[in-house]
Amino acid sequence: GENVEQHPSTLSVQEGDSAVIKCTYSDSASNYFPWYKQELGKGPQLIIDIRSNVGEKKDQRIAVTLNKTAKHFSLHITETQPEDSAVYFCAASNTNAGKSTFGDGTTLTVKP
Amino acid sequence: EAQVTQNPRYLITVTGKKLTVTCSQNMNHEYMSWYRQDPGLGLRQIYYSMNVEVTDKGDVPEGYKVSRKEKRNFPLILESPSPNQTSLYFCASSIRSSYNEQFFGPGTRLTVL
Repeated sequence: GENVEQHPSTLSVQEGDSAVIKCTYSDSASNYFPWYKQELGKGPQLIIDIRSNVGEKKDQRIAVTLNKTAKHFSLHITETQPEDSAVYFCAASNTNAGKSTFGDGTTLTVKP
Repeated sequence: EAQVTQNPRYLITVTGKKLTVTCSQNMNHEYMSWYRQDPGLGLRQIYYSMNVEVTDKGDVPEGYKVSRKEKRNFPLILESPSPNQTSLYFCASSIRSSYNEQFFGPGTRLTVL
């Protein structure tokens, strides 16, 4: 089955700096890679996703890059703000699939 | 408001006492799924359902049952809970499959003594 590894497990940055979280996956059939943000006491919420026919996707301060050859994808947050502090999860699945495999999560702390 | 609801939000029970955690969505989604979240282990999929009367195992199905008799509801059943099922549980739904954005409920914190 699919295995998703996520690094780092914790990340602390100063407000205004950039943050990068990386994930690798094992199943070459995976073609959908979402990123979820989980705030304290809430369920995860999608912030950006990418499908394997694109290499990069950007939404304001958030971007995701995908390297299919290396089976690697990353989340980039620029100009970080204190409200970006949360737990971030990457995930992988494939077309019409039911199974969804998540990384172990990254706790991001943005210091004012 | 489009949402996924779970009940109860908090539950403390004892080993062996059957319990059901309900999940309901009002978005007419075909796909629903249950996850458990444990410190350092991320979200692990328990069961999922691609549509009514269609369910399948995720990565950690042991000790759990599910049913999907109606499109909007996907209850999680623990027939004989054990302490290792103490966890934070999330229900999620998406329009068609895990290839689409999943909408998560607020979570159910379960403690089994």
